[in-house]
Amino acid sequence: DTGVSQDPRHKITKRGQNVTFRCDPISEHNRLYWYRQTLGQGPEFLTYFQNEAQLEKSRLLSDRFSAERPKGSFSTLEIQRTEQGDSAMYLCASSPTGSSYNSPLHFGNGTRLTVT
Amino acid sequence: GESVGLHLPTLSVQEGDNSIINCAYSNSASDYFIWYKQESGKGPQFIIDIRSNMDKRQGQRVTVLLNKTVKHLSLQIAATQPGDSAVYFCAEKGWGSQGNLIFGKGTKLSVKP
Repeated sequence: DTGVSQDPRHKITKRGQNVTFRCDPISEHNRLYWYRQTLGQGPEFLTYFQNEAQLEKSRLLSDRFSAERPKGSFSTLEIQRTEQGDSAMYLCASSPTGSSYNSPLHFGNGTRLTVT
Repeated sequence: GESVGLHLPTLSVQEGDNSIINCAYSNSASDYFIWYKQESGKGPQFIIDIRSNMDKRQGQRVTVLLNKTVKHLSLQIAATQPGDSAVYFCAEKGWGSQGNLIFGKGTKLSVKP
């Protein structure tokens, strides 16, 4: 199965520490997205890349959050000085290039972050 | 503002019955809608999508209906099976966004054997 891969699956960290998550999209997809999902809620958009360019960022993406996709393939999401409110599932998704932006996003199984 | 929501937070059906999950959206300019299924501990799984120039689209055991007049979306699952038990989300592509999807809160579907 060559779906979207995320690492790690689970991360427990203490408040104030920095964490970094990795996402490997489906290989032929050039669009990559990060979402955050808290318990009982739908995913919330954080940011979006087309190739290596970060084209859109949500207001949810505070200064403590940074995402990169240096070579247009895998992406990393870093959270600095974690807070308990950062505890959530962080989902990565990818979608293919097309003549339209109307393509379904394919999600990975997420990284569950717990900040103690 | 834009919002996507669901009428029913939980739905319980008997195995073999048909299920209907409803969704309302507020942005009449949205042009693309998707239904996702999410099982516990997993990411959302694509089920079916529909563009705003269509009223109905069918897949394997699933049908999505779009009523733009009342801004309503529904997912119909035929012959519901225990494996269909999950949380279902509808999502719309945000107007003016290149790819951002706006999700509703989800409906939990429970299938009784």
